[in-house]
Amino acid sequence: AQKVTQAQTEISVVEKEDVTLDCVYETRDTTYYLFWYKQPPSGELVFLIRRNSFDEQNEISGRYSWNFQKSTSSFNFTITASQVVDSAVYFCALLSSGTYKYIFGTGTRLKVLA
Amino acid sequence: DTAVSQTPKYLVTQMGNDKSIKCEQNLGHDTMYWYKQDSKKFLKIMFSYNNKELIINETVPNRFSPKSPDKAHLNLHINSLELGDSAVYFCASSQEVGVRNTEAFFGQGTRLTVV
Repeated sequence: AQKVTQAQTEISVVEKEDVTLDCVYETRDTTYYLFWYKQPPSGELVFLIRRNSFDEQNEISGRYSWNFQKSTSSFNFTITASQVVDSAVYFCALLSSGTYKYIFGTGTRLKVLA
Repeated sequence: DTAVSQTPKYLVTQMGNDKSIKCEQNLGHDTMYWYKQDSKKFLKIMFSYNNKELIINETVPNRFSPKSPDKAHLNLHINSLELGDSAVYFCASSQEVGVRNTEAFFGQGTRLTVV
């Protein structure tokens, strides 16, 4: 079975705080892909990052960083020095090789207060 | 240039009507999808098409019928609309699964309201 769990339903932080969004996944496949998407209030789904199961390197892009740990089946997302524009719902997703469906977590709503 | 575009963006219709949502991608992708997002923001796969062939039909009622005339288009027709069909429908596309860059790109969504 494939599953993505985002246990944090909603997080509120004050601007400039750091915040980490958790993602735990389940799959029996050895080859799979993990993703983060952002859904701002305007409603579109914006792709942020992809990680392949065979590449455990963490990644940093500006204020965003991602920590992929196969040992704990987690793919966490940290925003450093959060800004109001970061307010959105963030989705973690899993795609197993050989399948044709992205399994999404239930999303974490992030509110960054000025 | 919009990568994945779907029309219309908003659709308000009465119960029992039939409606269609169109989707086009200009990314040259082989695989296209329809996802449904309910009021709680849950995103659920409805259909996957690869090279115009239906790959996944995720227990969607027969009233929903996807059609892929070519690899760049995947339309969704819904018959006899019900109140419970109200949701945001997203079209998406990706390269062939197994190719390195497998991220899906989504259209802007179609907010369907059935009254």
